[in-house]
Amino acid sequence: AQSVTQLDSHVSVSEGTPVLLRCNYSSSYSPSLFWYVQHPNKGLQLLLKYTSAATLVKGINGFEAEFKKSETSFHLTKPSAHMSDAAEYFCVVTISGGSYIPTFGRGTSLIVHP
Amino acid sequence: GAGVSQSPSNKVTEKGKDVELRCDPISGHTALYWYRQRLGQGLEFLIYFQGNSAPDKSGLPSDRFSAERTGESVSTLTIQRTQQEDSAVYLCASSFSPGPNYGYTFGSGTRLTVV
Repeated sequence: AQSVTQLDSHVSVSEGTPVLLRCNYSSSYSPSLFWYVQHPNKGLQLLLKYTSAATLVKGINGFEAEFKKSETSFHLTKPSAHMSDAAEYFCVVTISGGSYIPTFGRGTSLIVHP
Repeated sequence: GAGVSQSPSNKVTEKGKDVELRCDPISGHTALYWYRQRLGQGLEFLIYFQGNSAPDKSGLPSDRFSAERTGESVSTLTIQRTQQEDSAVYLCASSFSPGPNYGYTFGSGTRLTVV
């Protein structure tokens, strides 16, 4: 079985300050992990993914995430927030050898203040 | 096509009516997934297709929900005798093959409102 927990339902930052969105996972097998972003009234867009290669993954729009097996975490970061980053962010886990059905976290709403 | 296409984009229906939601995956994508997203919540898995078979339909919330897929193409999600709690955005995703290496491409969803 697999699950993912997004520790914050809302994160509020000022424009130009760092962003940290936290995600912890639980998996019986080697996980693959993703971050998706959903802007208001838009579809889900893949930000980045980890599939057992490099543990530090770089994605689009300056986001990156680090896979830490010892902490079962896959936190999403960005050095400097932009107003356009305001959106809902979802952490997703699938497992190798399983049914590969992506399991979504409940989402974190990122609010960016000017 | 270039992306995953869902129709209709919006649907308002009266309680008790049946509705049919359509998903056109990316051409060549063998895996197809349906999710439900209630207001302010995460995505709830409904059903997964590999080709036209459904190895996992464990997420369907009741026997009012059913889905089918024609070959490796269009899928339809049918909700019979709709209830107000069925109001949500229904999202479809497709993938070249089961497994995380190929990623998942999502459609823009169908917003269903049951009045």
